[in-house]
Amino acid sequence: AQSVTQLGSHVSVSEGALVLLRCNYSSSVPPYLFWYVQYPNQGLQLLLKYTSAATLVKGINGFEAEFKKSETSFHLTKPSAHMSDAAEYFCAVTASGGNEKLTFGTGTRLTIIP
Amino acid sequence: GAVVSQHPSWVICKSGTSVKIECRSLDFQATTMFWYRQFPKQSLMLMATSNEGSKATYEQGVEKDKFLINHASLTLSTLTVTSAHPEDSSFYICSAPLAAGAYEQYFGPGTRLTVT
Repeated sequence: AQSVTQLGSHVSVSEGALVLLRCNYSSSVPPYLFWYVQYPNQGLQLLLKYTSAATLVKGINGFEAEFKKSETSFHLTKPSAHMSDAAEYFCAVTASGGNEKLTFGTGTRLTIIP
Repeated sequence: GAVVSQHPSWVICKSGTSVKIECRSLDFQATTMFWYRQFPKQSLMLMATSNEGSKATYEQGVEKDKFLINHASLTLSTLTVTSAHPEDSSFYICSAPLAAGAYEQYFGPGTRLTVT
């Protein structure tokens, strides 16, 4: 079984500041990990994914995440926040086998302060 | 990239009626689709796995007689909320992997259901 924990349901950062959204996972098998972004009343858009290749993963919109097995973490970062980054962010995990269910974290709402 | 559409994007229905939501993979074939439910300011909860040509697999606690899923073709899965009640009001989202064995899922834009 897999699970993810997102620390902080709300994160506020100033425009231009570092964005750090935390995600810790639990998995009995090697995991695949994902970060999704959701804008109001919309579906989910994939930001980036970890699938057992490079541990530092770069995604869209300047986001990146690092898989740390020793810490069971997959935190999302962006060096400089932009107003358009304001959204809900979800970390998700699945077993590395394909066509498996995604298990989502509870989400983190990111607010950007002008 | 892969595109998944949903129809309608929003629907309002009266209590006791049934509502059908469609999920289509526009540029790829999907043998498996997933249906999620999302309450306001909450995460996505998997309701069921829709399998083309066979019965859906429901998650624990989801009423299969209330949420009917039909995956009649490789590009279309439907979710019918039967005898809807106000507590069924929610945001319903579908997703599909790009291919059999793929780990990445593509999400539809969601359907907002309001039951009055």
